[in-house]
Amino acid sequence: RKEVEQDPGPFNVPEGATVAFNCTYSNSASQSFFWYRQDCRKEPKLLMSVYSSGNEDGRFTAQLNRASQYISLLIRDSKLSDSATYLCVVNAGFKTIFGAGTRLFVKA
Amino acid sequence: SAVISQKPSRDICQRGTSLTIQCQVDSQVTMMFWYRQQPGQSLTLIATANQGSEATYESGFVIDKFPISRPNLTFSTLTVSNMSPEDSSIYLCSVAYTNTEAFFGQGTRLTVV
Repeated sequence: RKEVEQDPGPFNVPEGATVAFNCTYSNSASQSFFWYRQDCRKEPKLLMSVYSSGNEDGRFTAQLNRASQYISLLIRDSKLSDSATYLCVVNAGFKTIFGAGTRLFVKA
Repeated sequence: SAVISQKPSRDICQRGTSLTIQCQVDSQVTMMFWYRQQPGQSLTLIATANQGSEATYESGFVIDKFPISRPNLTFSTLTVSNMSPEDSSIYLCSVAYTNTEAFFGQGTRLTVV
């Protein structure tokens, strides 16, 4: 079993749609959780951290369920510019584990 | 936060040769990390570069193939040795502080022909 598993994707959605990505992790000692965005031929960049209480940043909402070892990302009112690969990332101390990523295509 | 400069940004190399990738950080960090991202795949950790000691390699990666230097707290190099087409990939250096986000260099796109 992979340490971090994500929806396989790709997701093809129209502009304005709401899309949700799921992620599970296997290491119960994991302490920090993030969603990264990676554009084609670019390095990954932090989209948002994920907190147990849930957090929102504009159209993006992240949730963490430690008991189920589950992380989610919700994107509302999708824009063309949201098209990218979204990586679920889990930290245990210094060790950072990346999920395989979920590709999102937002179409006009 | 950290600003990381990585070079070269891309290279095309002949099989059997070696390429050294450099990574410079704008602040002192204890650990630096080297990742590989093959086409269509996510990031795979190659090794952790510790200042003053040998790098720690992940399963499937060995020092003879990917020697790493870490001469000080702001700099590291990764060498891809005796390259084959299967080594064509993006190589990324990264730093992270305990339980914080990871910061990345711009990546090195390597093509082996």
